[in-house]
Amino acid sequence: AQTVTQSQPEMSVQEAETVTLSCTYDTSESDYYLFWYKQPPSRQMILVIRQEAYKQQNATENRFSVNFQKAAKSFSLKISDSQLGDAAMYFCAHYLGNAGNMLTFGGGTRLMVKP
Amino acid sequence: KAGVTQTPRYLIKTRGQQVTLSCSPISGHRSVSWYQQTPGQGLQFLFEYFSETQRNKGNFPGRFSGRQFSNSRSEMNVSTLELGDSALYLCASSSGTGSEQFFGPGTRLTVL
Repeated sequence: AQTVTQSQPEMSVQEAETVTLSCTYDTSESDYYLFWYKQPPSRQMILVIRQEAYKQQNATENRFSVNFQKAAKSFSLKISDSQLGDAAMYFCAHYLGNAGNMLTFGGGTRLMVKP
Repeated sequence: KAGVTQTPRYLIKTRGQQVTLSCSPISGHRSVSWYQQTPGQGLQFLFEYFSETQRNKGNFPGRFSGRQFSNSRSEMNVSTLELGDSALYLCASSSGTGSEQFFGPGTRLTVL
């Protein structure tokens, strides 16, 4: 079974600063995907960034980037130039392509952005 | 394209009752997954349907069931409701394996 761990229940960052959210996972599979989802107070889950395990290059999406360390099973999210709208719960998720469309989520990190 | 829709958005039921939640995926998407979100257990996978077939099921009791129709709309049913079933139920649709899953706004179920 896959497990995903987010060791930081809460993080805070000053507006315009950079913050890194941690995520580790455990899987015996070699082919999988990793995601970061954002859940604002509206509860709408929004995909932030996605990483295919077979790709060595770290994914980036504008101010969001990941540090994917496959051997260490680590997948951290870096948010640069933090904005007030970034305040939300962030979930790391693992996905196995051969198990139906099942996401295994971490416990989440609540990010607060201070003006 | 319209997003994933879920109905109803809010539900209040009493213990022992049953409930049916509905999810309409994005047009063209054939996969619908269901998740339960609670403060204690976090986000947990319930089941996934693809072209009317259940492909995977999470670790939930048989009181939780689902189905998918030929137009890809999906329903989940919870029978004999318990207080612990109070949760936000999210569905997500995708076009296929490995594709992004788009989530609906959720149905907030409260069991009294």
